[in-house]
Amino acid sequence: ETGVTQTPRHLVMGMTNKKSLKCEQHLGHNAMYWYKQSAKKPLELMFVYSLEERVENNSVPSRFSPECPNSSHLFLHLHTLQPEDSALYLCASSQDPYNEQFFGPGTRLTVL
Amino acid sequence: AQSVTQPDIHITVSEGASLELRCNYSYGATPYLFWYVQSPGQGLQLLLKYFSGDTLVQGIKGFEAEFKRSQSSFNLRKPSVHWSDAAEYFCAVGVSGTYKYIFGTGTRLKVLA
Repeated sequence: ETGVTQTPRHLVMGMTNKKSLKCEQHLGHNAMYWYKQSAKKPLELMFVYSLEERVENNSVPSRFSPECPNSSHLFLHLHTLQPEDSALYLCASSQDPYNEQFFGPGTRLTVL
Repeated sequence: AQSVTQPDIHITVSEGASLELRCNYSYGATPYLFWYVQSPGQGLQLLLKYFSGDTLVQGIKGFEAEFKRSQSSFNLRKPSVHWSDAAEYFCAVGVSGTYKYIFGTGTRLKVLA
């Protein structure tokens, strides 16, 4: 595997389910990011981890819970989501704040 | 407040024609600027970046962009568009000293054969 990978690529869940999104980067980067991409809206930065420490949390509802067990892996745990949370969730990584971010292919989430 | 504006939501060009996608930013300091491309169902791929130095930057796939500080712009250009360039293009500014990027809302490019 190369670059940034995300699993699953598609997820359909009910509002009472609990699920997790997984991201893995094979680039040796120190920072990892979660973004939400909704139609007709700019990409929204959700969380940033640097060296496994959360450095950004942009007022994201508590029904989204990130986890970064090491610098290569990032999870987004989901519970009791709402239909408006349906979106493409993108993971990215970068070496540091001064270099470009590399994106994964995303997980298309649908909340019924 | 920091912001990025891409005034064109949709652009349609004929294959072989030239292309210019506009990007204006609002940022107090010297920005880090990026252009990304997103094909349907895919993540974002970096086309080019500007950090400092030469204001005309070359990227992948034959794209270039010019940083104009006086106009707060970073427009993307390509002299001859290919059908495979049909995608959505995003301009972004990196907030110095943080991990934050501010993205524009994107421009969707359609290429006519």
